[in-house]
Amino acid sequence: QKEVEQNSGPLSVPEGAIASLNCTYSDRGSQSFFWYRQYSGKSPELIMSIYSNGDKEDGRFTAQLNKASQYVSLLIRDSQPSDSATYLCAARGYNNAGNMLTFGGGTRLMVKP
Amino acid sequence: DVKVTQSSRYLVKRTGEKVFLECVQDMDHENMFWYRQDPGLGLRLIYFSYDVKMKEKGDIPEGYSVSREKKERFSLILESASTNQTSMYLCASSFSPPGTGELFFGEGSRLTVL
Repeated sequence: QKEVEQNSGPLSVPEGAIASLNCTYSDRGSQSFFWYRQYSGKSPELIMSIYSNGDKEDGRFTAQLNKASQYVSLLIRDSQPSDSATYLCAARGYNNAGNMLTFGGGTRLMVKP
Repeated sequence: DVKVTQSSRYLVKRTGEKVFLECVQDMDHENMFWYRQDPGLGLRLIYFSYDVKMKEKGDIPEGYSVSREKKERFSLILESASTNQTSMYLCASSFSPPGTGELFFGEGSRLTVL
């Protein structure tokens, strides 16, 4: 069973702080990784993707990938109350269809004003 | 912008009824997926399709079937709805490789089975 694991939280941070969200995966063949944000009652929306070891920055968001240790993280700088949501980590594997994403259970982030 | 449209946002059905959930995407994606999402269980894949008339079982296909007669449309069918199928159902689509694998989700269909 290929798995993606996340701490369910809630992770509570004060406004303006850095929120750090972590994810581990079991399939060493996974090549691509994604972070989705999901507001309560809404569908997931993609906020970051990362394919290579190291850091990838996009505005206040930084995704980090370490394939040797099989973990992915998402840092949110200057956290805002509007960042309060559930963050889903996903890893791309392969089957005969070529594209499959396995999702973690999500981490609920709460940013307090 | 990619648009994935699910036909019904909220449905209430009775046990034993046949339920159809429709999904349409407008980006010519090869792959389409049906997930269900439940508190504490995350997103679980029910079925996916990588081409017209092609389908493969996901992690929890029991009690469900799917139909893909046209590339843009993927339907989820509950042959005889049961209360344990009360859930949020999410449709998604993506390009095949060499596409990145990014999934685009619809708004979701919240199904309640009484």
